[in-house]
Amino acid sequence: GAGVSQSPSNKVTEKGKDVELRCDPISGHTALYWYRQSLGQGLEFLIYFQGNSAPDKSGLPSDRFSAERTGGSVSTLTIQRTQQEDSAVYLCASSLMRHLTDTQYFGPGTRLTVL
Amino acid sequence: KNEVEQSPQNLTAQEGEFITINCSYSVGISALHWLQQHPGGGIVSLFMLSSGKKKHGRLIATINIQEKHSSLHITASHPRDSAVYICAVNSGGGADGLTFGKGTHLIIQP
Repeated sequence: GAGVSQSPSNKVTEKGKDVELRCDPISGHTALYWYRQSLGQGLEFLIYFQGNSAPDKSGLPSDRFSAERTGGSVSTLTIQRTQQEDSAVYLCASSLMRHLTDTQYFGPGTRLTVL
Repeated sequence: KNEVEQSPQNLTAQEGEFITINCSYSVGISALHWLQQHPGGGIVSLFMLSSGKKKHGRLIATINIQEKHSSLHITASHPRDSAVYICAVNSGGGADGLTFGKGTHLIIQP
């Protein structure tokens, strides 16, 4: 595909359930980022991957959040025991290299609603 | 932690007006990004700059590293420019994600 894709586009779940969000970065992009956008909170950084490793997990809000990346491509963000405050749009972005000045290309996001 | 402040929060203008959106940050950075988010939610990177000025079509972005300030200008504004404009910075030093401002909601009326 030409751009970053994410699935599902929308996810409604019940409090306490686990969810998995998927990101397919642009082919060949080595850096992958997860962000979330909550109503009234703006965008916040969650985690960054360089290849398959995550040198910076500082943005994950709690130990219920985890992410992995396999084959230097697809990434999955998992939220365990979801809470209502986890409701947000989860955005993935990728860039060609790790360099801090690379343009990041954003996916369309997954809108998560926790009832 | 870098604090990113944008102004104004909301801006309504008439078609054709010259638009300026401002961004200030508190800690030295390696790069500053201007992003555009349309009502559908998709985010597009407009500019990435670490010094000076960049121009793309009717959009101009400037940055003053000493003053820790950047501006995004839109000339001959058009209703299709209506969107949320977000300033974001790379602080470097191990913080590899972007730190975002809260955005400026721009409405251009015909």
